[in-house]
Amino acid sequence: DGGITQSPKYLFRKEGQNVTLSCEQNLNHDAMYWYRQDPGQGLRLIYYSQIVNDFQKGDIAEGYSVSREKKESFPLTVTSAQKNPTAFYLCASNHPGDYGYTFGSGTRLTVV
Amino acid sequence: GEDVEQSLFLSVREGDSSVINCTYTDSSSTYLYWYKQEPGAGLQLLTYIFSNMDMKQDQRLTVLLNKKDKHLSLRIADTQTGDSAIYFCAAHPLFSGGYNKLIFGAGTRLAVHP
Repeated sequence: DGGITQSPKYLFRKEGQNVTLSCEQNLNHDAMYWYRQDPGQGLRLIYYSQIVNDFQKGDIAEGYSVSREKKESFPLTVTSAQKNPTAFYLCASNHPGDYGYTFGSGTRLTVV
Repeated sequence: GEDVEQSLFLSVREGDSSVINCTYTDSSSTYLYWYKQEPGAGLQLLTYIFSNMDMKQDQRLTVLLNKKDKHLSLRIADTQTGDSAIYFCAAHPLFSGGYNKLIFGAGTRLAVHP
């Protein structure tokens, strides 16, 4: 079945460490997105990519980095520069002309 | 600017109808969406409506769109405990800066009680 896989489901990080969240899709979608979700704040866009080897900053890109070396993969690195990284991270994808996005099941990152 | 607003919480009794409301600011929005998020999970697309429609019905779900007031609602008939979740409204502006942009509301947490 086609879909988006995010891993791991839960991730713990010590302060000062970088950590990478995985997002893989087998839907042949061109565009991929990373969102951060905090309670009561809805979804905030971190980065998006419309095509391989190209990506753009979203509304809250500071402290995050991404790469898009393959169409299927869009990993997100949370760097030590991100001051408040504890959150639920969602990856999504779509194709031009699609209705809405397809979402992964999310990764909950906790800084300990 | 682009904004989507929703009330944060709704509590209903099992078997009653639930109505979740949403307002958006961008009148160019072509499609409007409702997503459902169960605890610890991603967002699941429930339904969508094109901006030239007033209503769309899909089994227990009815979407109403008032384009003049930029108001969208989702009615769930015969609400069940399995409907307890967060519901997100999202708008797709026509002019979205070169990508397929969706603007999400903060989500409405629906609690269904016996």
